[in-house]
Amino acid sequence: AQTVTQSQPEMSVQEAETVTLSCTYDTSESDYYLFWYKQPPSRQMILVIRQEAYKQQNATENRFSVNFQKAAKSFSLKISDSQLGDAAMYFCAYRSRNYGGSQGNLIFGKGTKLSVKP
Amino acid sequence: GAVVSQHPSWVICKSGTSVKIECRSLDFQATTMFWYRQFPKQSLMLMATSNEGSKATYEQGVEKDKFLINHASLTLSTLTVTSAHPEDSSFYICSASLGRDTTQYFGPGTRLLVL
Repeated sequence: AQTVTQSQPEMSVQEAETVTLSCTYDTSESDYYLFWYKQPPSRQMILVIRQEAYKQQNATENRFSVNFQKAAKSFSLKISDSQLGDAAMYFCAYRSRNYGGSQGNLIFGKGTKLSVKP
Repeated sequence: GAVVSQHPSWVICKSGTSVKIECRSLDFQATTMFWYRQFPKQSLMLMATSNEGSKATYEQGVEKDKFLINHASLTLSTLTVTSAHPEDSSFYICSASLGRDTTQYFGPGTRLLVL
């Protein structure tokens, strides 16, 4: 079974600075997807970024980028020029590419609470 | 695009009553919808997966007779908490997937409080 581990329960960053959130996963599959979701105090889950395992290039979305290390099974999220609105819980998630019995379920890590200091 | 709504956003009910939560994909057809439960300061726990026109697949430990899921159309799935008890109080979130597309889009969630 696949697992996702976020080893940092809480992180803090100064406004305008850069922060990196860690995520590791365990799987025997070679093809899969990885996601970062953000959950602000409103509790709405918002997709931040998505990475396809077969792509070597790291995904980027404006100030958000990932460092995807497939061999190490690591998928960290870098937030540049942090803003107050970035304060939220961040969840790393894994999804198998082959539906099979999982039907495309997302497997979530426990989350990292990010605080942004003005 | 890819907007998912949930209704109601907040519900308070008496113990023993049933509560229905709706999940709608507003601008796309969702072949698959997922229902999650989230306890305070915890991650999302998948309860069940529903495919349009077929029975839902429940995760281990989730009572299918208590949490009834119906996915009658490509834009609507409902979760009914039957004979609710205080321990069912939680935050329920749905998500929808564009068929074999890999991204799940989440609704805003429903806070359920059972008195």
